[in-house]
Amino acid sequence: DADVTQTPRNRITKTGKRIMLECSQTKGHDRMYWYRQDPGLGLRLIYYSFDVKDINKGEISDGYSVSRQAQAKFSLSLESAIPNQTALYFCATSGTGTGYGYTFGSGTRLTVV
Amino acid sequence: AQKVTQAQTEISVVEKEDVTLDCVYETRDTTYYLFWYKQPPSGELVFLIRRNSFDEQNEISGRYSWNFQKSTSSFNFTITASQVVDSAVYFCALSESIHNQGGKLIFGQGTELSVKP
Repeated sequence: DADVTQTPRNRITKTGKRIMLECSQTKGHDRMYWYRQDPGLGLRLIYYSFDVKDINKGEISDGYSVSRQAQAKFSLSLESAIPNQTALYFCATSGTGTGYGYTFGSGTRLTVV
Repeated sequence: AQKVTQAQTEISVVEKEDVTLDCVYETRDTTYYLFWYKQPPSGELVFLIRRNSFDEQNEISGRYSWNFQKSTSSFNFTITASQVVDSAVYFCALSESIHNQGGKLIFGQGTELSVKP
């Protein structure tokens, strides 16, 4: 099984619908992140959480909300999806110590029509 | 504020050419980490290298090499003798280090490399 699992992998939804993207990890990391990728813009940070009780807005949080249900789970919600939220979404975790790095999920490709 | 700039949006080379991808960063932190990731057409992010701010030694891994220069705030990536399989989008990224743990990872815009046969 993957260390960071994102569901669904692909989703098409209609404008105005509420949608939740889920992320779970088996790395045991406290820190989790949601990024959005658009062509030519790289990956931009939506929300991040340094532990279960600590949630912070990133660069582009408008129109999104998150929930950190447990150390291992971090969900991203679009309350009322709009077409310009069509993008590739990545969840990531980060660890500790001198060997720390980031582990990314495989991405969720979301299309809002 | 932290910022990463990859000025080259797209690069096209012919197989076996050498190619260098540029990365310039901005940070006020004295301790930070720099990364390179590869994103092939399948979409996943593949980790290539991590370098901390105290280690300015260049690194070579097979056909890949990295040149880290704090004086110019650059962390450039060179592929020697490029191959078609190197075709991908490459991202440079920067993170602060908070208590020896990962902080926010800030990405550049990415460089799309196309290697033609």
